[in-house]
Amino acid sequence: DIQMTQSPSSLSASVGDRVTITCRASQGIRNDLGWYQQKPGRAPKRLIYAASSLQSGVPSRFGGSGSGTEFTLTISSLQPEDFATYYCLQHNSYPWTFGQGTRVEI
Amino acid sequence: QITLKESGPTLVKPTQTLTLTCAFSGFSLSSTGRGVGWIRQPPGEALEWLAVIYWDDDERYSPSLKSRLTITKDTSKNQVVLAMTNMDPVDTATYYCGHLWFGGTFDSWGQGALVTVSS
Repeated sequence: DIQMTQSPSSLSASVGDRVTITCRASQGIRNDLGWYQQKPGRAPKRLIYAASSLQSGVPSRFGGSGSGTEFTLTISSLQPEDFATYYCLQHNSYPWTFGQGTRVEI
Repeated sequence: QITLKESGPTLVKPTQTLTLTCAFSGFSLSSTGRGVGWIRQPPGEALEWLAVIYWDDDERYSPSLKSRLTITKDTSKNQVVLAMTNMDPVDTATYYCGHLWFGGTFDSWGQGALVTVSS
């Protein structure tokens, strides 16, 4: 199985801050990675697909980069509605695997 | 617009079989490239991928749960069913179904169904 190591597990930030979350794959996964945002009691919402493509309707302050084993989700200017938990998901090979999540809080 | 909704029991006893239904609209699972999968999330924990079924009947399972899972589709009813045998309290979780295109990740999700395993 491909292990996805996500860091940090949590972070504290303020409105307007630039936030970076990283996922590292235990082996190369090309760009077969998505990023998801989950708010309490809600289903996850896809933000990024194919490592760097912005999902339609998602604000442009969200960005993804990386390929191979290192991937990054960046929020350029944190907004109040961005406080949530973020997950990466690799779909390069089965079983698909999620990162452990990053909780972004004030 | 793609929508999905999970349904099934909220409470099951240990050793019972859980059967969850994902009813969807906005696409056909007989169309090339489409897939529906299941993901679960224990309370306060991370997401876990369980299984996926594609338009061409290809099925994939989490190896750790493969012996307990069966995923099936009914294209005429626009439904996908997940069966999980021998339920245990550690299987208590919110179960989600999601839509995907072959080669991609879940782009639409259901609202989730909380299943508690307890005697």
